[in-house]
Amino acid sequence: KQEVTQIPAALSVPEGENLVLNCSFTDSAIYNLQWFRQDPGKGLTSLLLIQSSQREQTSGRLNASLDKSSGRSTLYIAASQPGDSATYLCAVKITGGGNKLTFGTGTQLKVEL
Amino acid sequence: NAGVMQNPRHLVRRRGQEARLRCSPMKGHSHVYWYRQLPEEGLKFMVYLQKENIIDESGMPKERFSAEFPKEGPSILRIQQVVRGDSAAYFCASSRAGINEKLFFGSGTQLSVL
Repeated sequence: KQEVTQIPAALSVPEGENLVLNCSFTDSAIYNLQWFRQDPGKGLTSLLLIQSSQREQTSGRLNASLDKSSGRSTLYIAASQPGDSATYLCAVKITGGGNKLTFGTGTQLKVEL
Repeated sequence: NAGVMQNPRHLVRRRGQEARLRCSPMKGHSHVYWYRQLPEEGLKFMVYLQKENIIDESGMPKERFSAEFPKEGPSILRIQQVVRGDSAAYFCASSRAGINEKLFFGSGTQLSVL
C-alpha cells in the first residue's frame, strides 16, 4: 500500500528565504507526482506535475524534483513571499492504481513579513 | 473556461438526513473523482467515474454512500442517513482521459452534520 509522507508538517520562515519542502513515498512504481497548494477553506491548486520519466519541473519561483528510485520529491520555493503561505500537498499516482491520487498530509507554510 | 464547479459550498444536515453534493467538471473533461478531507487528515480517495460508469469505488464506504455521473448533468455524491462522522470537506476533481493527465480540483463542499 502506497504511503506518502511530508516533512515538515509545519514551517515558518521570514520573507525572502529560499525553502525546501519534502515528500517521500513508499512505492516507487508511480506514473507521476503532483504538487498542490491549498488555501484555508478553498480547493487545491495544481502547481507542478512531474512524470515518472522526468527529474524536475519548474514554474516561476517553484522547482520540483523527483527521485523515483529513492521515493522522494522536493518542492523548492525561491524568494518566498507572504502570499506563498498555504498548505502544500504532494500526491502520487501509482501504476496499476488507476487514475486515483494518494496524498500526503501536507506541509503548512507561513511566510512572515 | 470555468474550472471545476462544486455546489453547495456549505451544507448543513441533521443526523439521519440525506446529503447530495454536486460537481460539474471542467469543459472537455470526461473523468470525475471524489475525495474526502476529514479534520486534521489528508485527502482520501473515494470514487472515480466516467460518464455513466463507475471505474473505481475502492475508497467509498460500502453503506450509505453512492456516486453517479450521468450522461447529462453533474456528478452527484449522495450520502444517506448522515452521521456526525460524515462531517468533512468533500472535493471533486476532473481530468481528461489518460493516465498522465493532471487533475483539477473544485473548491469543495463543507458538510456539517448536527
